[in-house]
Amino acid sequence: EPEVTQTPSHQVTQMGQEVILRCVPISNHLYFYWYRQILGQKVEFLVSFYNNEISEKSEIFDDQFSVERPDGSNFTLKIRSTKLEDSAMYFCASNKRTGGNTEAFFGQGTRLTVV
Amino acid sequence: GESVGLHLPTLSVQEGDNSIINCAYSNSASDYFIWYKQESGKGPQFIIDIRSNMDKRQGQRVTVLLNKTVKHLSLQIAATQPGDSAVYFCAENIGGNKLVFGAGTILRVKS
Repeated sequence: EPEVTQTPSHQVTQMGQEVILRCVPISNHLYFYWYRQILGQKVEFLVSFYNNEISEKSEIFDDQFSVERPDGSNFTLKIRSTKLEDSAMYFCASNKRTGGNTEAFFGQGTRLTVV
Repeated sequence: GESVGLHLPTLSVQEGDNSIINCAYSNSASDYFIWYKQESGKGPQFIIDIRSNMDKRQGQRVTVLLNKTVKHLSLQIAATQPGDSAVYFCAENIGGNKLVFGAGTILRVKS
């Protein structure tokens, strides 16, 4: 069964450093998302991406965040200068969304720890 | 019920019993709803979905009920098994671009 894959599974970084989280969405999906989940809390939307541009972003997704689809398969989230409060699980998701709403498939997540 | 932070509501059930997990959603314009299951250290896993033009949908051992009048969603799990232990989130889709997740409910199945 096709799945969304994310790398790395765990990333430890020093405050102020840049990190890039990587995702390979399901191959025939057109819509891509990043969500985050602070430990013990609910999953929060960060950004949605379609047709090589951001279609919606949340208040969390400030100038320190950016997304890119550098080739036909990868979808990345970059945090330019990490803060302690960026520590969370980051989930990539994708769906087809043709002919109406369909469920988003989530990856296993990258645990980001900022120290 | 609703909760924030580390104090998620917990539902404890005996193996074999039925479970009902409830969720209140926020936006009357939401047109699509999903229940996700999240096991420790993993990403949300799709369980079942329902569109706003329906009030009930059944899957294998699971049923979702939607009451748009009171903006309430429930997930019923029949014959709950130890493997059902997880955190369950409802999510509403507003406008198709994002999912808004609820706070989550911990389901603990006792053998």
